[in-house]
Amino acid sequence: GAVVSQHPSWVICKSGTSVKIECRSLDFQATTMFWYRQFPKQSLMLMATSNEGSKATYEQGVEKDKFLINHASLTLSTLTVTSAHPEDSSFYICSARDHRANTEAFFGQGTRLTVV
Amino acid sequence: GIQVEQSPPDLILQEGANSTLRCNFSDSVNNLQWFHQNPWGQLINLFYIPSGTKQNGRLSATTVATERYSLLYISSSQTTDSGVYFCARSQGNLIFGKGTKLSVKP
Repeated sequence: GAVVSQHPSWVICKSGTSVKIECRSLDFQATTMFWYRQFPKQSLMLMATSNEGSKATYEQGVEKDKFLINHASLTLSTLTVTSAHPEDSSFYICSARDHRANTEAFFGQGTRLTVV
Repeated sequence: GIQVEQSPPDLILQEGANSTLRCNFSDSVNNLQWFHQNPWGQLINLFYIPSGTKQNGRLSATTVATERYSLLYISSSQTTDSGVYFCARSQGNLIFGKGTKLSVKP
């Protein structure tokens, strides 16, 4: 299947700093990528839809100034958690599908963020 | 809004047993996928199955779109099958069920 690479796999940062997470589609192009957040023992919740060359679409309740999304190319989307606080600690995971066909989505490895 | 419900929420099996996981969805499905989330959090694609039946080794899945449900069958379960199984309905983005946590005991 298609490969989506997410980096870093885990990160520990201090409160008040910013953290950037990258999501790359390695063998296909994606005009749209999706960012999810998962709390312990819960399901995945969509945070935002990343659109190549335009602004991201955020789900209700997700602060766009806190979670900055950039989709500068057809193979890369980034999520920056700005001014991180301990409550931002979570598992973040991205997904993408080949833009040529509305078929299955593939996920990155996920990033476990811990803010201390 | 769109609902995706999974059952059972938890399942404990003895190694070698068979199991069926169910996914109900509230509207017509365009795409439906089954995933296995391993202990490290990685989501492994199991099936992309908007309708019909597919098989991959000990796993198979059936989606009956007209009746709005999908089933995941695991036969001869192994300890490595443990983890959380999610179904997700797609309309652009994926909408996930709450998952079934499977524990396979040796």
